[in-house]
Amino acid sequence: GQSLEQPSEVTAVEGAIVQINCTYQTSGFYGLSWYQQHDGGAPTFLSYNALDGLEETGRFSSFLSRSDSYGYLLLQELQMKDSASYFCAGSTSGGFKTIFGAGTRLFVKA
Amino acid sequence: EAGVTQFPSHSVIEKGQTVTLRCDPISGHDNLYWYRRVMGKEIKFLLHFVKESKQDESGMPNNRFLAERTGGTYSTLKVQPAELEDSGVYFCASSNTGQGGTGELFFGEGSRLTVL
Repeated sequence: GQSLEQPSEVTAVEGAIVQINCTYQTSGFYGLSWYQQHDGGAPTFLSYNALDGLEETGRFSSFLSRSDSYGYLLLQELQMKDSASYFCAGSTSGGFKTIFGAGTRLFVKA
Repeated sequence: EAGVTQFPSHSVIEKGQTVTLRCDPISGHDNLYWYRRVMGKEIKFLLHFVKESKQDESGMPNNRFLAERTGGTYSTLKVQPAELEDSGVYFCASSNTGQGGTGELFFGEGSRLTVL
């Protein structure tokens, strides 16, 4: 089957750095993406890794290791507005089918 | 440019009734997806349209669910008859053909279905 595993909850303080891990079992794996969802809102795209290594976009970075079937999202200089759910998602079928994990709820404390 | 819009935002129905959810994707996006999230669980893939054709409907739970995309524009997802376990948030997402390879899906805010 196809599945992605990530922690259910993470808590961190404002200004800190937090890493959200994701391991996957996905046949025909094409790439790993990350989405952010605030309560009641639409999931919004954050990043995508097709190749091994680190991709950086402002305060957010995402990493992929295909050999380990593992990736992570790194959030730096945490702000209260970063409190949200974060989903890792694996693309298959040439990139046209995306399977999501159950999401990690991030709580940022003052 | 308008984003993905879904209607209704919230629907409460009784077991055995019918509900139809609608999704308007971003104009020009050939790919349209339906997903469902039950509280605390994954955003589960239901099906994928390319224009008006069903590319992959492997995630549809059973034959009580019917999705259509007439003319390759908006899509509807009908649940008939609804059961308690159908409760959840139904998300629609769209992407360009070229964006399928970058993983970027554009989501609507979802339709929350509650079956009593």
